[in-house]
Amino acid sequence: AQSVTQLDSQVPVFEEAPVELRCNYSSSVSVYLFWYVQYPNQGLQLLLKYLSGSTLVKGINGFEAEFNKSQTSFHLRKPSVHISDTAEYFCAVSDIQGAQKLVFGQGTRLTINP
Amino acid sequence: GAVVSQHPSWVICKSGTSVKIECRSLDFQATTMFWYRQFPKQSLMLMATSNEGSKATYEQGVEKDKFLINHASLTLSTLTVTSAHPEDSSFYICSARPSGRFSRNEQYFGPGTRLTVT
Repeated sequence: AQSVTQLDSQVPVFEEAPVELRCNYSSSVSVYLFWYVQYPNQGLQLLLKYLSGSTLVKGINGFEAEFNKSQTSFHLRKPSVHISDTAEYFCAVSDIQGAQKLVFGQGTRLTINP
Repeated sequence: GAVVSQHPSWVICKSGTSVKIECRSLDFQATTMFWYRQFPKQSLMLMATSNEGSKATYEQGVEKDKFLINHASLTLSTLTVTSAHPEDSSFYICSARPSGRFSRNEQYFGPGTRLTVT
């Protein structure tokens, strides 16, 4: 079974500042890794995913994440945030084989202040 | 592309009644759909995996008889909350996985359905 820990429940950042949202996972098997964003009262939108290959993954809206197998981490970064980035961010994992069900972290509320 | 819709987007019902929520993949076929539940300010919890043409697979602790899932076609799955009670009030989100072996790692999410049971 897999588990995901998002180390920060809330992250306040000033506009145009860089941000890092932390995610650690636990799994006894190889996994796929995902970051999703959720705006209020909406479903989830995929930001980026790691399946294999290069450990640095670039996604939409200027976000990127780096897979670190030794530290079992998949932290999300953006060099300069905007007010519109205010949302809830979820890290998720799924196993590569079988049902590939997603297991989500607790979420990180990113608040951008002007 | 890869749009998933849910209907209704919000519903209020009285305790003891049943509510049906639809999840549709609009521009792709989905052999597998997932149903999640999200409480306020919390993460998504997988309730069940819905497979077209077969019975759903429920996660531990989810009552099969209370949350009826039907996946009758490759573009539609329904979740029926039977004999709803106030504790069933929640945000229900579905996702759909496109059919085909090259799509196994993708899930596309619907916009969610807010259920309030009074």
